[in-house]
Amino acid sequence: DIQLTQSPSFLSASVGDRVTITCRASQGISSYLAWYQQKPGKAPKLLIYAASTLQSGVPSRFSGSGSGTEFTLTISSLQPEDFATYYCQQLNSYPGITFGQGTRLEIK
Amino acid sequence: EVQLVQSGAEVKKPGESLKISCKGSGYSFTSYWIGWVRQMPGKGLEWMGIIYPGDSDTRYSPSFQGQVTISADKSISTAYLQWSSLKASDTAMYYCARAREPGIAVAGFDYWGQGTLVTVSS
Repeated sequence: DIQLTQSPSFLSASVGDRVTITCRASQGISSYLAWYQQKPGKAPKLLIYAASTLQSGVPSRFSGSGSGTEFTLTISSLQPEDFATYYCQQLNSYPGITFGQGTRLEIK
Repeated sequence: EVQLVQSGAEVKKPGESLKISCKGSGYSFTSYWIGWVRQMPGKGLEWMGIIYPGDSDTRYSPSFQGQVTISADKSISTAYLQWSSLKASDTAMYYCARAREPGIAVAGFDYWGQGTLVTVSS
């Protein structure tokens, strides 16, 4: 399986901050990477697919970049509703689709 | 409106069997891959496997191969996840999710069910 490692695992930030989460793949996955947001008690929500394409309805403060083995999710100006857990997912090798371990974003 | 509606919470004993469901509506059920995801209490997301309801092509994550069975009944637009003998370690929330694009599963999963909580306890 392709392993995904997110960093940091925990992030404390303030409203208005710019934050970046990194996802590294154990081998190249081209641009077959998605990002999800999950709030407590809720199903995950697709934010970004194909590494950098914003899903319809997702605010433009979210952006993704990268290809190969290193990817980033950036939130340009944190809003109160953005405090959640974020996961990357690689889809290069299904059935071996995998998720990163998650990054918990909390209010400072 | 696209919807995935999952069956309700289950409480089972170790060794019992279980089949949970995920009913799709508002789109062509046979044209989109459906995946299943496990989330153990307080933990992250784990990919279990995927099925294409159009021809029942099914692919399992190596970690779940042989542990669960994924199936679909396209006549009623429903996908299933089943266990033949539950263990306490199967206690988790289980989500189904639809691939974003028809026929492929490389562009993420855009619609998710509400989740089915499975509790296995003696």
